[in-house]
Amino acid sequence: GEDVEQSLFLSVREGDSSVINCTYTDSSSTYLYWYKQEPGAGLQLLTYIFSNMDMKQDQRLTVLLNKKDKHLSLRIADTQTGDSAIYFCAAVNSGYALNFGKGTSLLVTP
Amino acid sequence: NAGVTQTPKFQVLKTGQSMTLQCAQDMNHNSMYWYRQDPGMGLRLIYYSASEGTTDKGEVPNGYNVSRLNKREFSLRLESAAPSQTSVYFCASSEAFGTDQFFGPGTRLTVL
Repeated sequence: GEDVEQSLFLSVREGDSSVINCTYTDSSSTYLYWYKQEPGAGLQLLTYIFSNMDMKQDQRLTVLLNKKDKHLSLRIADTQTGDSAIYFCAAVNSGYALNFGKGTSLLVTP
Repeated sequence: NAGVTQTPKFQVLKTGQSMTLQCAQDMNHNSMYWYRQDPGMGLRLIYYSASEGTTDKGEVPNGYNVSRLNKREFSLRLESAAPSQTSVYFCASSEAFGTDQFFGPGTRLTVL
């Protein structure tokens, strides 16, 4: 199946910006998603971007999409300790199901 | 609205036992999904139901069966549990197939 790749860990200091990167292989992906998972909980949809967009901003979150390179990033401005979680990138594949990356564990230190 | 609910939250089985994981959504969504989450593996799709009355295999369907009981409910059955099925199971739903999915809180299953 199509692959979605993410780095596994990221550590930032409180107040800094976090950037989580993702690459995908299916060029026909129409929607790309970012989900957040806190310990012991399910996945929470954070934001998404449609494939004809380059950027989407939603409060502290900025999603950048480079469709040519099949690269997606999530920037969290002014990162807080409450942002510590696992972040999943997901892409709609040609069969219209979602392919998830393995998740990036974000640790925010005071 | 409760969103997506799953029961039970935790379960321990012995090898060979059977059980059914229940999932219900109150958002009038057409599509429902079952995933398993294992350390280092991300989420893998077991089965999905694109619309009421249809079910299809996902990436890892072996050892599982599903039933789309009605528009609200989608159950996952393990007929003869194996230790390899120890995992956290998530149910999700979406308004249409391929659109953003909403997840339940998960069922943590251990097979001894």
